[in-house]
Amino acid sequence: GESVGLHLPTLSVQEGDNSIINCAYSNSASDYFIWYKQESGKGPQFIIDIRSNMDKRQGQRVTVLLNKTVKHLSLQIAATQPGDSAVYFCAENISDSSYKLIFGSGTRLLVRP
Amino acid sequence: DTGVSQDPRHKITKRGQNVTFRCDPISEHNRLYWYRQTLGQGPEFLTYFQNEAQLEKSRLLSDRFSAERPKGSFSTLEIQRTEQGDSAMYLCASSLGGGPGEQYFGPGTRLTVT
Repeated sequence: GESVGLHLPTLSVQEGDNSIINCAYSNSASDYFIWYKQESGKGPQFIIDIRSNMDKRQGQRVTVLLNKTVKHLSLQIAATQPGDSAVYFCAENISDSSYKLIFGSGTRLLVRP
Repeated sequence: DTGVSQDPRHKITKRGQNVTFRCDPISEHNRLYWYRQTLGQGPEFLTYFQNEAQLEKSRLLSDRFSAERPKGSFSTLEIQRTEQGDSAMYLCASSLGGGPGEQYFGPGTRLTVT
């Protein structure tokens, strides 16, 4: 069936370092991918998205990379800050058939001061 | 506050009782989504509306669950005869056209069934 998973459940980084959060997806029909950030007690917050016709997309301090060959998605956060501490989810969508998002189980990012 | 709001934020109920949650989307958003999230897991899709039409329902949405969006604005999610397995965070999101990822989430309603 459809699934979106993450390689590492917890990632600890030093403030100022770059962070890389990885995600594997299994549905080759997925053509739209999103990263969300969720802080404790809050709903997920949209970070960045990418369509399957792209390999890379950059935002403010964040970059998403998509490797369709191995069905892998990553989120890179530059100069990680304490405010980046949260759980990060990747999600996928098959845009031709539905607007529902299929989320993975999340990676917790801890930023050490 | 112009974001998605949900009410109540917390609900404790006894098994077998009915509960109803409300979601108010961002005012101009035509799509509204319900997800359920258990501890340590990502949100799971339940259902979504475009205006007042319910266009998709997950098989997770058993007969005890019903959602409405009568005037295409706010939505309610009702759970009848609650079970302990219904304990979770219920998240609402809304979007305006565009792609499916541009979903803005509310803070959620945490349900505890005792």
